[in-house]
Amino acid sequence: GESVGLHLPTLSVQEGDNSIINCAYSNSASDYFIWYKQESGKGPQFIIDIRSNMDKRQGQRVTVLLNKTVKHLSLQIAATQPGDSAVYFCAENLKTSYDKVIFGPGTSLSVIP
Amino acid sequence: DTEVTQTPKHLVMGMTNKKSLKCEQHMGHRAMYWYKQKAKKPPELMFVYSYEKLSINESVPSRFSPECPNSSLLNLHLHALQPEDSALYLCASSGPTRGKETQYFGPGTRLLVL
Repeated sequence: GESVGLHLPTLSVQEGDNSIINCAYSNSASDYFIWYKQESGKGPQFIIDIRSNMDKRQGQRVTVLLNKTVKHLSLQIAATQPGDSAVYFCAENLKTSYDKVIFGPGTSLSVIP
Repeated sequence: DTEVTQTPKHLVMGMTNKKSLKCEQHMGHRAMYWYKQKAKKPPELMFVYSYEKLSINESVPSRFSPECPNSSLLNLHLHALQPEDSALYLCASSGPTRGKETQYFGPGTRLLVL
C-alpha cells in the first residue's frame, strides 16, 4: 500500500550544525503534511506543518520544504542543539480524509556535544 | 494551551483484567484519537471519534473498546488483553473545525500485559 517513508533511519550531527531530515511519500492525494518530534518517554510533539499549496514554511529554527514533483518532504533544523535529540516523524493527511494521518517510520536524530 | 492529558501514565495488567485508559482535552477540539505505538515504530491509528461519534475503527480487536462520554473525554476500555498488546497508547485531539487540523498528542499510557 501507499505509505510515507524516510531515507535515513538514523542521523548524527555535531552541536551547532544544521540537520536535514528527509521523508519520501508516495500518495499524490496527500495535501497536508506534519513533522512531529518524539522524545524518549513522551508523546509526539507538533513541530511544523505545511499544506500542499506551499513549497516552504519556516518556524523557529525549523524549515519544512515540500517538493510535490518528486513527492519529497524535508525538515531542516538550524544550529542543532542537544535538546533536539529525538525521533522525528513525518506524517501525511490524505485529501479524501479529514481525520486520518499516516506516519512515516521515523528518523532518530542524535546531537553530539 | 495545547495540552492533552492521559491517565494512568503506566499500567500493568494481567490477561484476565479489565482496565480503562483515560484521555482529556479542553481545547474545544472535536476529533479525538487513539493510537498504539510499539517501541521504535511510528504510532498506528486505532480509533477516531469525530463530534463524539466513532468515525474510524482500524479493524481493532474487540478486546479494545473506545468510549467518548463527551467532547472533552475519551476512554479506552481494555479486557482480556494479550502480551503482544503491550505498547504505548497515545491519545490525540484536533479541531475545532472538521478540516486539516494538527493533531496534538498526550504523553501516553505505557501498558504492560503479563
